[in-house]
Amino acid sequence: GAGVSQSPSNKVTEKGKDVELRCDPISGHTALYWYRQSLGQGLEFLIYFQGNSAPDKSGLPSDRFSAERTGGSVSTLTIQRTQQEDSAVYLCASSLARSGANVLTFGAGSRLTVL
Amino acid sequence: AQKVTQAQTEISVVEKEDVTLDCVYETRDTTYYLFWYKQPPSGELVFLIRRNSFDEQNEISGRYSWNFQKSTSSFNFTITASQVVDSAVYFCALGTRSGANSKLTFGKGITLSVRP
Repeated sequence: GAGVSQSPSNKVTEKGKDVELRCDPISGHTALYWYRQSLGQGLEFLIYFQGNSAPDKSGLPSDRFSAERTGGSVSTLTIQRTQQEDSAVYLCASSLARSGANVLTFGAGSRLTVL
Repeated sequence: AQKVTQAQTEISVVEKEDVTLDCVYETRDTTYYLFWYKQPPSGELVFLIRRNSFDEQNEISGRYSWNFQKSTSSFNFTITASQVVDSAVYFCALGTRSGANSKLTFGKGITLSVRP
């Protein structure tokens, strides 16, 4: 697609429920990143995928968080047994390759509110 | 380890004032890249500029200019004659060239408010 698409744009859930957030990157971009933006906390790296390589999961805050990328394209970030501290905007970005030199194109984000 | 510090958290100026957003970085890599992104109220981050560690030439793009100084590990961003549309959160970021740990490290962002 023309840009990075994320869904849903807003999600309100109850504590303890599972949620899935979806990211559709720019066609041809092999690298895909998930970041979390909490109020006043900037952008916190969560996970990234590069082609068929094993994902870098070093930023996932707990084992309640997981992500997958099917067919090298669409990615799903899953948060199990959500907690109130999971409330944040989850941003997805993609780039041509995994490299610190590459410009990331971001989606509009999925705002998660855990009640 | 990589680190980006944006010491200013919020800045408020009146339209037409000049404003400088500070960014200080830390890295042990000799080759690295520095970025600025803008996040307007709509929420989507927009890329503004990328500089590599070997190019310390300052850059000007319209009302925007960037001052990269390796000696002080800083990459500051100046908006000249600010406008209301410049109101946004601005992020500075640092990326290494490649490798297993390649990813962007962002600062916490600076919220700029430009009042008419």
